[in-house]
Amino acid sequence: QKEVEQNSGPLSVPEGAIASLNCTYSDRGSQSFFWYRQYSGKSPELIMSIYSNGDKEDGRFTAQLNKASQYVSLLIRDSQPSDSATYLCAVNPRGGKLIFGQGTELSVKP
Amino acid sequence: DARVTQTPRHKVTEMGQEVTMRCQPILGHNTVFWYRQTMMQGLELLAYFRNRAPLDDSGMPKDRFSAEMPDATLATLKIQPSEPRDSAVYFCASGLHRGDYGYTFGSGTRLTVV
Repeated sequence: QKEVEQNSGPLSVPEGAIASLNCTYSDRGSQSFFWYRQYSGKSPELIMSIYSNGDKEDGRFTAQLNKASQYVSLLIRDSQPSDSATYLCAVNPRGGKLIFGQGTELSVKP
Repeated sequence: DARVTQTPRHKVTEMGQEVTMRCQPILGHNTVFWYRQTMMQGLELLAYFRNRAPLDDSGMPKDRFSAEMPDATLATLKIQPSEPRDSAVYFCASGLHRGDYGYTFGSGTRLTVV
C-alpha cells in the first residue's frame, strides 16, 4: 500500500461546478496534511493546510480531514479554467517526512 | 517575499559528469526536503534535514547521490557520476518542523543527462 494515494484522474468538470479531489494515507499517526497545486512546468504551490478533523475553508477552497477514515479531500467551488492544474496531496507521517501522492489532474472546461 | 532559491534552473550534462544542485531555504526554516519529479514516479522524496542534520536519505541511490547541509543557508544535492536515468526536475522545499504554515518549494532544477 502506498503511503499517500490519490485518484490519478484526469478529472474534468465544467466551469462553475464543484471539483472534488480525494486522498487517503496509510500512517494513522500522521499529523499535518496539505494540498498543493502544480501548473505544468512550475513548482508545487501550497493552497491549503489542515491539522485537525473537520472542514477548513479558504475562499473557494475547502479542505476536509477525517483521521478515523485516514481521508483528506479538497473541494473547489465555482471552478474556473484557471484552476486547471495537477493537485497534490501531501502528508506528514510520524517521523517528520513529507510524502506526496501521485497527484490528480484537474481540467475545468469553459 | 520569502522564497526558496534553487540554482541552477537548468542543467544539461554528459553522462558520467558530476552535478551539484544548490538550495537556499527560507531564513528561519529548520526543515529542508529534496525531491525528484518525473512523469512516471511523481514527487519522490530523496532526503531531508532538520536543523541541518540529515534525518532520512533512504530515497537516494547511495552509490551516486549525496546530500549535505553545510550551513543553515545552503543545502546541496550531488550526483556523481550522473546517468541518463537521473534526468528529472529536482525540487527543494523548506518549512518548520511538523509543517506549521506549510512547506515552500523552490523553482526546481531541470536536469538533463545526455
